[in-house]
Amino acid sequence: GENVEQHPSTLSVQEGDSAVIKCTYSDSASNYFPWYKQELGKGPQLIIDIRSNVGEKKDQRIAVTLNKTAKHFSLHITETQPEDSAVYFCAASPNSGGYQKVTFGIGTKLQVIP
Amino acid sequence: GAVVSQHPSWVICKSGTSVKIECRSLDFQATTMFWYRQFPKQSLMLMATSNEGSKATYEQGVEKDKFLINHASLTLSTLTVTSAHPEDSSFYICSARDRGTWNIQYFGAGTRLSVL
Repeated sequence: GENVEQHPSTLSVQEGDSAVIKCTYSDSASNYFPWYKQELGKGPQLIIDIRSNVGEKKDQRIAVTLNKTAKHFSLHITETQPEDSAVYFCAASPNSGGYQKVTFGIGTKLQVIP
Repeated sequence: GAVVSQHPSWVICKSGTSVKIECRSLDFQATTMFWYRQFPKQSLMLMATSNEGSKATYEQGVEKDKFLINHASLTLSTLTVTSAHPEDSSFYICSARDRGTWNIQYFGAGTRLSVL
């Protein structure tokens, strides 16, 4: 099955700096990679996703890059703000005509210091 | 955007009782819903996949008789923790897959279960 590794497990940055979270996956059949943000006591919220036919995707201060050859993908947050503080999960899922299991990384706790 | 409502958000129960958690997709039809369990400072652990009108598929190690899942409609799935014990205390999260999109899961806010 798929195995998703995520690092770092914790990350502290000064407000305004950039934050980068990296993930690797093992199943070459995976081609959908969502990122979720989870605030304390809440469910995860999808913040951005990328599919294997795209190398990079950007949405305002958030961007995700994908290297299928190396089987790794990364989340980039620029101009970080205190409200970006949360736990971020990467995930990977293979393509098929029906549902395929989404495998999550272990999570990265991001702390943005004002 | 797609909204998934999960209730209750927090429940305390006595050991031996059963607890039902509801998961509803409010503005889309969800042929597939998922139930996760999350321990403090850990990732999401998939417990089972629920398809509307059929039996749930449980992950290895999850007791199907203890965690009863029902997905009676395209907008509602329920998880019942039967004969709850303190070790069942955890954060339970549901998600729903919008059949109009491809593999995107939208999550509920979670239910914190505390068994005394």
